[in-house]
Amino acid sequence: DTGVSQDPRHKITKRGQNVTFRCDPISEHNRLYWYRQTLGQGPEFLTYFQNEAQLEKSRLLSDRFSAERPKGSFSTLEIQRTEQGDSAMYLCASSPTSGRAMIYNEQFFGPGTRLTVL
Amino acid sequence: AQSVTQLDSHVSVSEGTPVLLRCNYSSSYSPSLFWYVQHPNKGLQLLLKYTSAATLVKGINGFEAEFKKSETSFHLTKPSAHMSDAAEYFCVVSDRSNDMRFGAGTRLTVKP
Repeated sequence: DTGVSQDPRHKITKRGQNVTFRCDPISEHNRLYWYRQTLGQGPEFLTYFQNEAQLEKSRLLSDRFSAERPKGSFSTLEIQRTEQGDSAMYLCASSPTSGRAMIYNEQFFGPGTRLTVL
Repeated sequence: AQSVTQLDSHVSVSEGTPVLLRCNYSSSYSPSLFWYVQHPNKGLQLLLKYTSAATLVKGINGFEAEFKKSETSFHLTKPSAHMSDAAEYFCVVSDRSNDMRFGAGTRLTVKP
């Protein structure tokens, strides 16, 4: 399977703990995005990378959140001192920087990591 | 600024009857518009996209959407619903590649 993969698929943690999620984009895609989706809502943009550079961060991304893409391939999203309000599905997407998919702004999504903070 | 409004949070149809999921958008630029489907415990799957090549867009699984600039709408239709169409559907607008705005979603229920 050459799609976007995310790990873990589910994470249950206690309030105050740190968690880290991983995203592996489609191999030839330069752009990588993180979204958060809460129950009954559509995904909301958190941040995006072009190669290893983090080019944009949403106001939703508080100081407790940090994302990295050190080698321009996989990315990690870390949440420190988790709160119950962080419970959500965290989605990763990737897109190319050339070709038709780039022209049409098409993003390819992974299955998501569902975080539950107790 | 860009935004999307999905006019119905929940649509229920009988199997074999038409489906209409409504979407209105707002964008300062010529947008790209998408419909994604999300089945339980699965990732978002692209159904179709509008890219200014044609106003009537055909997607997978028999879905279509028509871009109407005068009405700022991009409604999703299917002539005959199937049980497997039951899912959450998201209308998405993008006028920059790093900024996709999702609607709140429409849950489609298909009754036998």
